[in-house]
Amino acid sequence: DAGVTQSPTHLIKTRGQQVTLRCSPKSGHDTVSWYQQALGQGPQFIFQYYEEEERQRGNFPDRFSGHQFPNYSSELNVNALWLGDSALYLCASSLAVAGIHNEQFFGPGTRLTVL
Amino acid sequence: AQSVTQPDIHITVSEGASLELRCNYSYGATPYLFWYVQSPGQGLQLLLKYFSGDTLVQGIKGFEAEFKRSQSSFNLRKPSVHWSDAAEYFCAVGTVTGGGNKLTFGTGTQLKVEL
Repeated sequence: DAGVTQSPTHLIKTRGQQVTLRCSPKSGHDTVSWYQQALGQGPQFIFQYYEEEERQRGNFPDRFSGHQFPNYSSELNVNALWLGDSALYLCASSLAVAGIHNEQFFGPGTRLTVL
Repeated sequence: AQSVTQPDIHITVSEGASLELRCNYSYGATPYLFWYVQSPGQGLQLLLKYFSGDTLVQGIKGFEAEFKRSQSSFNLRKPSVHWSDAAEYFCAVGTVTGGGNKLTFGTGTQLKVEL
């Protein structure tokens, strides 16, 4: 079992550019969540995807968008990058069970640097 | 809204000494509580979780945590720390709302182990 995988590992962009990060969930999982972890901070919830739809969103602007594919993998897109978007982006996968907070398994993250 | 407070930003202990990391949460309902560990440049690894039942939960690597509803606390403990325990530790509360669930993290406690 490969666990949660993310690509790329590191990424450098300039202000105003757009970026796409990718995540493959753990085998058997159908739900993907994305978190942003700024330096020295705890992860902050961006959004969660299930059945190819965004079903919960944190306090992030519309510049942050996502997608989930039929194979449950997911992408996080960020438009109009600014310096404050520099962070470690973590993907977590879980198995959806109604009314239950199932354990989320985290990937190693993508380190995004915006210059 | 839910929140998590980890009062100690940095803690230093000697190898072999006992450890307690503090965590206080705010949430209106019965919480799902988690402790994660993050090594430098890595993703998050789950140490233990509390959903219900016995308030003293055992985790991996010899860690345990005690849920105290009256104090809104979920402190992490280890009787004897090993040098390999040096890492950052995050407490999190899991919530289920509508169709989704998310984790809300504290700001973390950086553990240093002196040999």
